[in-house]
Amino acid sequence: NAGVTQTPKFQVLKTGQSMTLQCAQDMNHEYMSWYRQDPGMGLRLIHYSVGAGITDQGEVPNGYNVSRSTTEDFPLRLLSAAPSQTSVYFCASRDKGGSNQPQHFGDGTRLSIL
Amino acid sequence: DQQVKQNSPSLSVQEGRISILNCDYTNSMFDYFLWYKKYPAEGPTFLISISSIKDKNEDGRFTVFLNKSAKHLSLHIVPSQPGDSAVYFCAAIIKGGSEKLVFGKGTKLTVNP
Repeated sequence: NAGVTQTPKFQVLKTGQSMTLQCAQDMNHEYMSWYRQDPGMGLRLIHYSVGAGITDQGEVPNGYNVSRSTTEDFPLRLLSAAPSQTSVYFCASRDKGGSNQPQHFGDGTRLSIL
Repeated sequence: DQQVKQNSPSLSVQEGRISILNCDYTNSMFDYFLWYKKYPAEGPTFLISISSIKDKNEDGRFTVFLNKSAKHLSLHIVPSQPGDSAVYFCAAIIKGGSEKLVFGKGTKLTVNP
């Protein structure tokens, strides 16, 4: 059981480039989220989805787009990368049954913007 | 403004002793709290949780205590083991609300053999 899979694990981009961070889960979870972790900042919510076709903004959504066309996949798009987006990005999913259900996290994508 | 605060960036304890990690929150609407553990180069993993209707939840060596009046919770690890060395995040959520799980900045625990 793979759980939550994030690709790539590492990426270096130049300012202004675009890219998509992939996230897939095989647990049939309805809820999926993207977080970023910066030094001394904990994890901050970027975007989340409560089901296929439904997305909403989190705490720090600017500069990122998401879509949810299937239950399994929740890609995060950087349209025009900026150095401030250098961070470690985590995707998470959880089952339905209440927002107190624990989230399952992927191992992260380490992104550097030059 | 930070809604979930972990004021100790790091904690060092001896193997076999108790580790106490603290967390304070400011939003009185939070009604469910979770602790996550994170090793380097891995994603956070769920450890233990507590509902606001309880003041204690225990799971093996891990116990979480909640003091609603003080808006404070703590995670106790007894006895501490070297494998417990990790960063511990406190998180809070409003049940039935949005998916906005709010995390603290984390406390790095080091358990020395």
